[in-house]
Amino acid sequence: GQQLNQSPQSMFIQEGEDVSMNCTSSSIFNTWLWYKQEPGEGPVLLIALYKAGELTSNGRLTAQFGITRKDSFLNISASIPSDVGIYFCAGISNFGNEKLTFGTGTRLTIIP
Amino acid sequence: SQTIHQWPATLVQPVGSPLSLECTVEGTSNPNLYWYRQAAGRGLQLLFYSVGIGQISSEVPQNLSASRPQDRQFILSSKKLLLSDSGFYLCAWGQGNGYTFGSGTRLTVV
Repeated sequence: GQQLNQSPQSMFIQEGEDVSMNCTSSSIFNTWLWYKQEPGEGPVLLIALYKAGELTSNGRLTAQFGITRKDSFLNISASIPSDVGIYFCAGISNFGNEKLTFGTGTRLTIIP
Repeated sequence: SQTIHQWPATLVQPVGSPLSLECTVEGTSNPNLYWYRQAAGRGLQLLFYSVGIGQISSEVPQNLSASRPQDRQFILSSKKLLLSDSGFYLCAWGQGNGYTFGSGTRLTVV
């Protein structure tokens, strides 16, 4: 079945630094999504990408849908303590079939 | 606006006991509904999805079952829990631009 490889698995950065994480797939996705999950909570949608090459921002977050439709990245600029959490990429491969395939997650820790 | 409710928030159950987790959605009709499980520190695994009342698709063979008795109600069940059923269970409903997740149920089987 489809798999999303997300890297890095974990990041320890200092407050104020920029963060970059990415997802790659062996197959094509038509929609890429980035979620953030805080401890004990369900994931919350951060950014949705619908077109190859699309670059979308949400505040300090920027995500891009790769041209090949097999990858996506998420950048966080000037990290702050509340950015701590697990970030998941997710992809939808078929229009009309909304099943999401999730990446394995990137755990972000901010060092004060 | 659409909201999704999931309960209970936490549950501790003995091995061999039954399970029933409930998820309801408000503010939408005929949603696609999903049950995911998340093991500690791991990603999300799709267990079941439903595109309508009585329509259940299972993604992985397991000790669990799902039912959709009403349009906006999705139930995850087990007749006899195993230790390996422990985890964080998330219900979600599908939209054109992704999923909205419930707040999750942390199940510990002891």
